[in-house]
Amino acid sequence: DGGITQSPKYLFRKEGQNVTLSCEQNLNHDAMYWYRQDPGQGLRLIYYSQIVNDFQKGDIAEGYSVSREKKESFPLTVTSAQKNPTAFYLCATSWTAEAFFGQGTRLTVV
Amino acid sequence: GENVEQHPSTLSVQEGDSAVIKCTYSDSASNYFPWYKQELGKGPQLIIDIRSNVGEKKDQRIAVTLNKTAKHFSLHITETQPEDSAVYFCAAKGAISGGYNKLIFGAGTRLAVHP
Repeated sequence: DGGITQSPKYLFRKEGQNVTLSCEQNLNHDAMYWYRQDPGQGLRLIYYSQIVNDFQKGDIAEGYSVSREKKESFPLTVTSAQKNPTAFYLCATSWTAEAFFGQGTRLTVV
Repeated sequence: GENVEQHPSTLSVQEGDSAVIKCTYSDSASNYFPWYKQELGKGPQLIIDIRSNVGEKKDQRIAVTLNKTAKHFSLHITETQPEDSAVYFCAAKGAISGGYNKLIFGAGTRLAVHP
């Protein structure tokens, strides 16, 4: 929020399709993250990137892929290999300890 | 592995009452403890945080306390208002491992403040 833009807000995917969620930031933060949120659970880390052209798997990376070609952008692709992709996806950035979140994308498989 | 437990999962209070949410962490190297408020359909917003060299921090109606010995920290909201109704998440960040110090989140507390 206030510098982190996630789009689209809602996304529908057919089974077997890949979809890409966008995350753009103008905070000039080096680190960017993708989290998945399911009802009744905390946020789980999918991927993170501390610098351009470098990213690392988080706790639940299977079925997801990312790229970090620009400091401002960290798109997440949900592939057909992700068997249960319906969830709320949150992008975050940080510079020091504090993490700041976007408004999220709600992905639904139809 | 690293874990953060948060209680209660739901909390219902009357307007004007206080609300307390508690979290326990497992990694004794954790040194940063933020609290986030998430309103329906939105991303979490940082509302207050505390570092391991401080025992308590206040910001108007919100306060956070940290007990490093017991490895738990709490969020206190006084004089609650209906607009405080939201889901609150605690988190703990540990020492750097593999070049990255990960933020571990609790499962969240749904707070309802009734007029």
